[in-house]
This record gives sequence, structure tokens and C-alpha cells, in this order.
Amino acid sequence: QVQLVQSGAEVKKRGDSVKVSCKASGYSFTNFPIHWVRQAPGQGLEWMGWINTATGDTRDSQKFQGRVTFTRDTSANTAYMELRNLRSEDTAMYFCVRLYYTSAWDWGQGTLVTVSS
Amino acid sequence: QSVLTQPPSVSAAPGQKVTISCSGSSSNIGSNAVSWYQQLPGTAPKLLIYEDNKRPSAIPDRISGSKSGTSATLGITGLQTGDEADYYCAAWDGSLSVRVWVFGGGTKLTVL
Repeated sequence: QVQLVQSGAEVKKRGDSVKVSCKASGYSFTNFPIHWVRQAPGQGLEWMGWINTATGDTRDSQKFQGRVTFTRDTSANTAYMELRNLRSEDTAMYFCVRLYYTSAWDWGQGTLVTVSS
Repeated sequence: QSVLTQPPSVSAAPGQKVTISCSGSSSNIGSNAVSWYQQLPGTAPKLLIYEDNKRPSAIPDRISGSKSGTSATLGITGLQTGDEADYYCAAWDGSLSVRVWVFGGGTKLTVL
């Protein structure tokens, strides 16, 4: 079965960077894009962007103004999301998601990133 | 402020039916498929409805989706206490070159 397993919780300081990993299994990794969605405590879902796992092309939400980078390692079936210059409002649960056509069929378990001052 | 608009909360008794609305515009719901997700407390969201009204094989037929114009609706019949969760609608928005994936703000379902 499809599984997306993310790296563990992180505690960072303001201005730091964080890199979250998402290891895929149960399907052909390069056949589907990986998207990233975050959820601040008690808030709704927010799309961050995505990576074409076959080509490495990426697109991110303009909200992050170039602070986020998506990469992948096809030999390890793993996608990564790096967020730089962390702010307190970046405290959130970060999810990797496998999209098929227009819908998110599989989600990682989430990685909690806490930004402290 | 979410691009798609959902009611913050809905409630109904066990066994009853509830609907959750999702309102958008011509650039998202009006021209792209809608999907719905259930998020139980402390867990990742789960796909309930894709392409406006289709259910993944594991989702029971008491869950339904529909769309008309720039609005979509999720329906749940035979409510169970296990249905208490947050529900989100989602759709792609914009032209092919600047498409973004947008969500509703979420609706908390309470089964009284």
C-alpha cells in the first residue's frame, strides 16, 4: 500500500532553516508529484507548493516569497521541503501529499515544526 | 481568509443527515474539480470525495459530493459519532501557468 513517512518533529529558532523529508513507498515515486501542505495550530490547511518528482521542476505559493525549496532524491524515493528564515508564524504541522489528478489520495503523517524565539 | 468559503461548524444528531457547503468562484470551483477531506483530531486529512462526486473505494456510500456552478456540497447520511471531525473542500484555482491549490477554511462537524 502507498505510504508517505515523514521525518520527526523539529524545534527551531527564529531565522533558522528546517528541512523535512518524506519517504514514499508502495508506488512508482516518479509517476506522481509530491505537494506540501501545512496547518498552523487550530487553523486550516494551506498549500505550499509541489515538486515534479520525475523532472525536479517545482512551484511554490507566492506567499513564501522564495523562502521554500522543494527537492527530491529519486534513488531514495524521498522528497524534501526546506523552509528558511523561519518566523513564529511558521509553527505548524507540515504534510507531504501524493496527488493524483486533482486530489490528494495519500498524506504523510505530518511533521510538527515549532519556531521559538 | 480562505479562498473557498465553508461554514465554521455544523451539527446534527446520530442517524441524521448533514450537508456542508463550499463556495468559490469561476476560477476555482467553477472550472476545476472539487475534492473533500476529513480530518479526525490529531491525524492527517483523508480523501472522501474526488472529482466533485466520486468516492474512493474505501469510503461508504453514505458520503456524497455534488457541485453546481461555483459551489459544492458534501453530504453525510446516517451520522455516527465517529464522523465528528473537521471537513475541508479543495480545488485548483487559476490559469494553467499560475495554478494554486486552495482550501476552504474547514467545517467542524459535531454529532450531538
